[in-house]
Amino acid sequence: AQKVTQAQTEISVVEKEDVTLDCVYETRDTTYYLFWYKQPPSGELVFLIRRNSFDEQNEISGRYSWNFQKSTSSFNFTITASQVVDSAVYFCALSEAWDNFNKFYFGSGTKLNVKP
Amino acid sequence: DGGITQSPKYLFRKEGQNVTLSCEQNLNHDAMYWYRQDPGQGLRLIYYSQIVNDFQKGDIAEGYSVSREKKESFPLTVTSAQKNPTAFYLCASRAGTAITDTQYFGPGTRLTVL
Repeated sequence: AQKVTQAQTEISVVEKEDVTLDCVYETRDTTYYLFWYKQPPSGELVFLIRRNSFDEQNEISGRYSWNFQKSTSSFNFTITASQVVDSAVYFCALSEAWDNFNKFYFGSGTKLNVKP
Repeated sequence: DGGITQSPKYLFRKEGQNVTLSCEQNLNHDAMYWYRQDPGQGLRLIYYSQIVNDFQKGDIAEGYSVSREKKESFPLTVTSAQKNPTAFYLCASRAGTAITDTQYFGPGTRLTVL
């Protein structure tokens, strides 16, 4: 079974629109970490954020914000006032305590197209 | 600058040939990983290594081999046994096994079998 599900395969928005990328995870561990990475056309994955299972506070970093809800096992990512440079594939990932957080389970990614 | 380097960026191989992809890191990280990414797909774990001279198979290890003789290096060999090797290969490293450790990625190698 998929541990991390990103149901949105591709999203297209017009610049300055807000957009939310969904991430649903599955784990039996009480201690785990969630991550978001950005993969621009160049291919390298860029780390965006890490969140632990004990901290459900929302986080904001500039135009980016993350909403972590344990009740729905979701860790959604919102880009406010999107820009063309936000066009990329975004991956959500999970690591768990049972194997010392060694393996990362990645979702299949959401491709975001921001049009001018 | 500290980081992860992968070489070459593009690699072409004839069917039946083995090829080795390089991954080097100067972050002093203990753990290293190899992932495969196919077009429009997520990342699949091939092999990972938590310490020197030790490595474990990931989800799709068949047709691949690795070595970890030095902390900073984790080369991946794609053997002729790998039936469909054309893909984008990403190497990552992680400081250790601490709860806060994050995986950081190299720029990737795009392998094409002709």
